[in-house]
Amino acid sequence: RKEVEQDPGPFNVPEGATVAFNCTYSNSASQSFFWYRQDCRKEPKLLMSVYSSGNEDGRFTAQLNRASQYISLLIRDSKLSDSATYLCVVTRMTTDSWGKLQFGAGTQVVVTP
Amino acid sequence: DVKVTQSSRYLVKRTGEKVFLECVQDMDHENMFWYRQDPGLGLRLIYFSYDVKMKEKGDIPEGYSVSREKKERFSLILESASTNQTSMYLCASSLKNSYEQYFGPGTRLTVT
Repeated sequence: RKEVEQDPGPFNVPEGATVAFNCTYSNSASQSFFWYRQDCRKEPKLLMSVYSSGNEDGRFTAQLNRASQYISLLIRDSKLSDSATYLCVVTRMTTDSWGKLQFGAGTQVVVTP
Repeated sequence: DVKVTQSSRYLVKRTGEKVFLECVQDMDHENMFWYRQDPGLGLRLIYFSYDVKMKEKGDIPEGYSVSREKKERFSLILESASTNQTSMYLCASSLKNSYEQYFGPGTRLTVT
């Protein structure tokens, strides 16, 4: 079983619509969670951290459910520029794990006019 | 603005060749990482370094080695390239106690 699992998509979303997708993780000891965004043929970039209480950054909302071990990302009022692959990232839990991340394979979102 | 640069965007090498991939960051970050990214598998950690001359194995170190002689530079070496090392290679850096990693543009390596 993969440590971080994501639906690869693609999620085809009309412009202006809302899209949401989840990611599950297997290590219950993971402490920190993030969403990274990767545009086609580009490098990944941090989109937002995910906090236990949930957090918003503009049109993006991230939630964490520790009991069920999943995190989610919701994008409201989708823009064409939101088309990208969204990578779910959790921290690795070993004694020397500071800075080490476990990446999911990504969920592709395609926003259509 | 943090900048991570990689020596080549595209590279084609023959089986058995020794391959050097260079990564340079300009933000005085302590941590540097090498990943490979393959479809359906996501990013997998090859090696990382917390300090100059320090290196630690990631999840898939076999067939690779690294060098960090200066803080800003982290090199990945394929001792004898094989076709299964055809992949996108991404370098990243971060501050000592930060989980935010900054990535370079990647090197797409093809081994024929």
